[in-house]
Amino acid sequence: NAGVTQTPKFRILKIGQSMTLQCTQDMNHNYMYWYRQDPGMGLKLIYYSVGAGITDKGEVPNGYNVSRSTTEDFPLRLELAAPSQTSVYFCASRQPPINRLRLFSYNSPLHFGNGTRLTVT
Amino acid sequence: DQQVKQNSPSLSVQEGRISILNCDYTNSMFDYFLWYKKYPAEGPTFLISISSIKDKNEDGRFTVFLNKSAKHLSLHIVPSQPGDSAVYFCAARGISNFGNEKLTFGTGTRLTIIP
Repeated sequence: NAGVTQTPKFRILKIGQSMTLQCTQDMNHNYMYWYRQDPGMGLKLIYYSVGAGITDKGEVPNGYNVSRSTTEDFPLRLELAAPSQTSVYFCASRQPPINRLRLFSYNSPLHFGNGTRLTVT
Repeated sequence: DQQVKQNSPSLSVQEGRISILNCDYTNSMFDYFLWYKKYPAEGPTFLISISSIKDKNEDGRFTVFLNKSAKHLSLHIVPSQPGDSAVYFCAARGISNFGNEKLTFGTGTRLTIIP
């Protein structure tokens, strides 16, 4: 299995340009996530989706948009790129918890892609 | 507001010795703690987890200890091997205002194993 695949691996954008970071997974996972990692910082959640047609904001959604038309794909759109969006972006997926009523179990860790390094100048 | 802190940005350990990575948290509502390992140019991979109702979980060379009263957890790697050289992220699970699961990550510790 390929797991979670992100494209492109690297990209340089000029201020004001737009682009779409692609993410696809072949594990039939319902849950998908976009994180960003800035130097010396932990991963911050941008957007997530619990299934096709359902998306929601994370901690740092401003300047981004997402869509989830299929189970496999979860693209992240940057409109009007800004230098503050220079970061490494990670897409991740996971199965929903086996028993949603039982919160005190962790049986479905995140599977991450290899990341997209984006520079906005 | 950094709810999950890894105060050591880097750590160097001799091969064969024990590596101890530390993590502190502030939110007593976190119910699960996880460690992820990350190699350069790759995404993080899940390593080990521990429930807040336990104080120890072991998986091969990796053991995670949880001290709830001190809001502190640690990852022990014994014996350390060159392939363990990576960045290790601590993460804690909570529930968001909308009832969804939320992971909060620490800033990571870069572990270097010296042959």
